[in-house]
Amino acid sequence: GPKVLQIPSHQIIDMGQMVTLNCDPVSNHLYFYWYKQILGQQMEFLVNFYNGKVMEKSKLFKDQFSVERPDGSYFTLKIQPTALEDSAVYFCASSLGRRSNQAPLFGEGTRLSVL
Amino acid sequence: QQQVRQSPQSLTVWEGETAILNCSYENSAFDYFPWYQQFPGEGPALLIAIRSVSDKKEDGGFTIFFNKREKNLSLHIKDSQPGDSATYFCAASGGSGYNKLTFGKGTVLLVSP
Repeated sequence: GPKVLQIPSHQIIDMGQMVTLNCDPVSNHLYFYWYKQILGQQMEFLVNFYNGKVMEKSKLFKDQFSVERPDGSYFTLKIQPTALEDSAVYFCASSLGRRSNQAPLFGEGTRLSVL
Repeated sequence: QQQVRQSPQSLTVWEGETAILNCSYENSAFDYFPWYQQFPGEGPALLIAIRSVSDKKEDGGFTIFFNKREKNLSLHIKDSQPGDSATYFCAASGGSGYNKLTFGKGTVLLVSP
């Protein structure tokens, strides 16, 4: 079936550096999301994105975070600068529509370790 | 404040038994409830979902029972197999319109052979 791909699967960086997480969403999907999961906790919504714009973001989506999808390529989450508390698994998701009965499909996650 | 609560935190059943996973929510605006299955090291995979206009949804050996008045739902896994051992997340969305999912903390299911 259709899949959301995330690259890389694991990223280790030093605190203060910039990191970009990449997501290749399902080809005909129009809505894109990032979620954050700290080990042992539930997944928490960060942001959703449609037509080149952030539609909604949570308190977890700090000023150091940004998202974009230039020219229909990867949907990216950039963190600049990173902090220790950014260590988590970040899941990308995509959905065809915005209606609440179209559950997003998730990727396998990128584990970010900030040292 | 936890808007979606799951119980139990972990559950062990024998192969062939029915596993029952519970979920409750607080926000009356929630109208769509997907369940996701997650294996270690993988992303969550959509298992089955229900809309608040229904009280039951079946798909293969998975059934959701939904009680709108009580704001709770349950996932029944019939004839559990060891391969069903995973973490199950209840999620909810609705209201705001941009398909923002609120997840519970998950139930870790172990099916013993």
